[in-house]
Order: sequence, then C-alpha cells, then structure tokens
Amino acid sequence: QSALTQPASVSGSPGQSITISCTGTSSDVGGYNYVSWYQQHPGKAPKLMIYDVSNRPSGISNRFSGSKSGNTASLTISGLQADDEADYYCSSYRGRTTYVFGTGTKVTVL
Amino acid sequence: EVQVLESGGGLVQPGGSLRLSCAASGFSFTTNAMTWVRQAPGEGLEWVSGINSGGDNTYYADSVKGRFTISRDNSKNTLYLQINSLRAEDTALYYCAKGGSVSGSVRWFDPWGQGTLVTVSS
Repeated sequence: QSALTQPASVSGSPGQSITISCTGTSSDVGGYNYVSWYQQHPGKAPKLMIYDVSNRPSGISNRFSGSKSGNTASLTISGLQADDEADYYCSSYRGRTTYVFGTGTKVTVL
Repeated sequence: EVQVLESGGGLVQPGGSLRLSCAASGFSFTTNAMTWVRQAPGEGLEWVSGINSGGDNTYYADSVKGRFTISRDNSKNTLYLQINSLRAEDTALYYCAKGGSVSGSVRWFDPWGQGTLVTVSS
C-alpha cells in the first residue's frame, strides 16, 4: 500500500501563493473525489483543511483551496502567512473502505 | 465541542499487546464511523483501521491485518484498538479520528485526538 507522492518541501515568502501536489493512481486519487488535506503543526494533531477535493470545513480560511486533475490533487495556499508553516498531508479513499495518505510536505515561510 | 481523546499507550516488549481507547464527546458517536491513524516518530501519517457506526464492519491496512482488532462500545462512546504481536515498526503515535461523510463511505477524518504513544522496545 504505497503512499501518495508529495514534494518533501515547498517554500514561499509572506503574501505569496504556493501549491502542493499529491500524485496517486487511478485506484485512489484519480478514481474518487474523496481527497482531503490536513495541516499538522509540530507536536500537534492533524487538522482538516480541505475535504472532497475542494471543500473547506467551517472556520478554514478561503486562502486554502483544493483541486484535482487526473491522478493528481493540489492544495494551494494564497497570501502565505507565518502560521501556515507546517506539514501538510493529502489523503484519498482507495476503495474497499481503505485509505492512503501522502508522504507529507513541509511548508516553510521564508 | 466535538472531540476525541486517546489513551492506553505505553512501552511494550516485542511480541506484546496493548489496548488503546478513544473516548468521544460532543457528537453522536453511535451514528459515525471511526478510524485509527498512526505516525511513526519523524514520519508521515498511515491509515491503520476503520469501523462503521454499528461496529459490524471493520477494515484494516495490510500492515496490521491479523494483528490489530478495532472495536467500539456505543454505550460508552468509546473506540478501541487491540494491538497484538507488536513489532518495533509499530512504534508510533496512534490517533483516533471521526470519519466524515455526507452519505455512505467515509470521505475525510475530523476531528483528530492528540494521540497516544506506543513504543515497542526490549
């Protein structure tokens, strides 16, 4: 059960936009619109940021947006802020009620 | 407030067993699927196991199938994970999370607890 592929790190300056990719296969990302994204600050629990590819839970800033094309999902953070510095993980349904997470991306605000 | 709180972690020898618990509050536990996710030190997230609202359907990652058993007691609003035949590679922070869905299959995980640490070492 190999993980979804994410870049190890992405960085940007305050105010800029960054995009994190999440590449899977037709058996997970490409096969279902059940991609979610999680933010994890050091020593903290993961927090849901995006669900069903592009939906934001209540309370999540509209600076966070999600999309998907084929087997690759993406998370875009616009107007980058210092507090956005964290690890980000994508997740996808993989059929037969199993799930897979991405390898994780460390976002650094320069 | 919707929250889940894990407990039961600890130091255990290889081959040993532990039972993790997850107490849920602030939502209708009996109508929600639940899941366990783990994170080895310095590593990424790994989905471990899931269970439907009634407790009669359970699902496991291949890496734990046959050694881990998920269950729930809806009368106590509590989720469990029985972990047997522990190996060094099972060392991780184990998170409990509520499954999110509009209808049918779980599509996301929210909220997550703070996790309970399982360390497998002699």
